Amino acid sequence: SQQGEEDPQALSIQEGENATMNCSYKTSINNLQWYRQNSGRGLVHLILIRSNEREKHSGRLRVTLDTSKKSSSLLITASRAADTASYFCATDATGGGADGLTFGKGTHLIIQP
Amino acid sequence: DTGVSQDPRHKITKRGQNVTFRCDPISEHNRLYWYRQTLGQGPEFLTYFQNEAQLEKSRLLSDRFSAERPKGSFSTLEIQRTEQGDSAMYLCASSPRLAGEGEQYFGPGTRLTVT
Repeated sequence: SQQGEEDPQALSIQEGENATMNCSYKTSINNLQWYRQNSGRGLVHLILIRSNEREKHSGRLRVTLDTSKKSSSLLITASRAADTASYFCATDATGGGADGLTFGKGTHLIIQP
Repeated sequence: DTGVSQDPRHKITKRGQNVTFRCDPISEHNRLYWYRQTLGQGPEFLTYFQNEAQLEKSRLLSDRFSAERPKGSFSTLEIQRTEQGDSAMYLCASSPRLAGEGEQYFGPGTRLTVT
């Protein structure tokens, strides 16, 4: 079953603009990860934020986590055509962490040149 | 290249046939995961190995599915008596750490089409 739900399902913006996508999840987590998937490179890890962290940066990426609301956001600044892809949040489950990741349905991002 | 590899990349089979996919993880990773992804959805967890031991199986993994990881190296996923609903992308991932501790490294996937 899908743990997370990304919002919006699809997003189209102009190159250079910022893109924000959100993720909600249902159960307690140890961490939340964001992955990108495009036809050329498959599924690639972008960033991991732990449950005791509120914000994390990596290059043009900024991730926030609100465990009280069970939600996360991914901000991509100064978007580029190469950012066109589907973006997924993924969570593990507390209680051992031996499970696989649970992914949301994804946000399909299109960067218009 | 030392990434995760999967073979074949594409498989077309007729309903009722058996298929087997192979995954070669990154060599030093002792954890190996299988996921299934259908169009417009995120990957769904199927099963997980730590070394050669299969530690976790999803409810999605019916008795027609079997996975092995002999000697804790490569893994195979077999689907018996395939059904049209099995059509999907089958992804393999490996990691040196628990799912809750770090990223997973994904292979390019095997796209299965059941006709």
